[in-house]
Amino acid sequence: ELKVEQNPLFLSMQEGKNYTIYCNYSTTSDRLYWYRQDPGKSLESLFVLLSNGAVKQEGRLMASLDTKARLSTLHITAAVHDLSATYFCAVVVAGNQFYFGTGTSLTVIP
Amino acid sequence: DTAVSQTPKYLVTQMGNDKSIKCEQNLGHDTMYWYKQDSKKFLKIMFSYNNKELIINETVPNRFSPKSPDKAHLNLHINSLELGDSAVYFCASSHALVASGNNEQFFGPGTRLTVL
Repeated sequence: ELKVEQNPLFLSMQEGKNYTIYCNYSTTSDRLYWYRQDPGKSLESLFVLLSNGAVKQEGRLMASLDTKARLSTLHITAAVHDLSATYFCAVVVAGNQFYFGTGTSLTVIP
Repeated sequence: DTAVSQTPKYLVTQMGNDKSIKCEQNLGHDTMYWYKQDSKKFLKIMFSYNNKELIINETVPNRFSPKSPDKAHLNLHINSLELGDSAVYFCASSHALVASGNNEQFFGPGTRLTVL
């Protein structure tokens, strides 16, 4: 059974600090997505990683993909309160099946 | 302009009832999906449709039936609602079903279903 696990599940950090969220998956895939979900809202696409070694950056967030290790990371630099949300990774396998990770609930404390 | 829209946004109903949730996308996408998000925020794919054909059917109860009148619409019909069906249901869409390329998914606003 395909598993997509995120670590940590809950993260509380102070403004200005750095941290990394990890996404491990159990099957071969060369595509991985990161989404953000604000409380009571829908999912918003952040990054699309399409190949091994891919790195994407947007503002204080940077995502990377290592398909050999079946690992993606989402790095947060100098966190601000506006980044508080739940972050999901999603792995795509044959047939365009999306499997979402468990989610990481991030709270940035002023 | 709303890319992926769902109605209703909230749905409160009694056990045993039958209800439908509607979804429409104006992005010209070929594939549409239904997801269930439980109280722990875990997202699970339920169905996807490509050009009006069901192509993924996860192990969901057969009380749930997707209906697609055209490629811009994918409705979710639920029979004999149970307490465990309470969740947020998200519709999504993407470009054609291909094994490579950026077929990013766009999500609707969600429908919060509460079964009493």
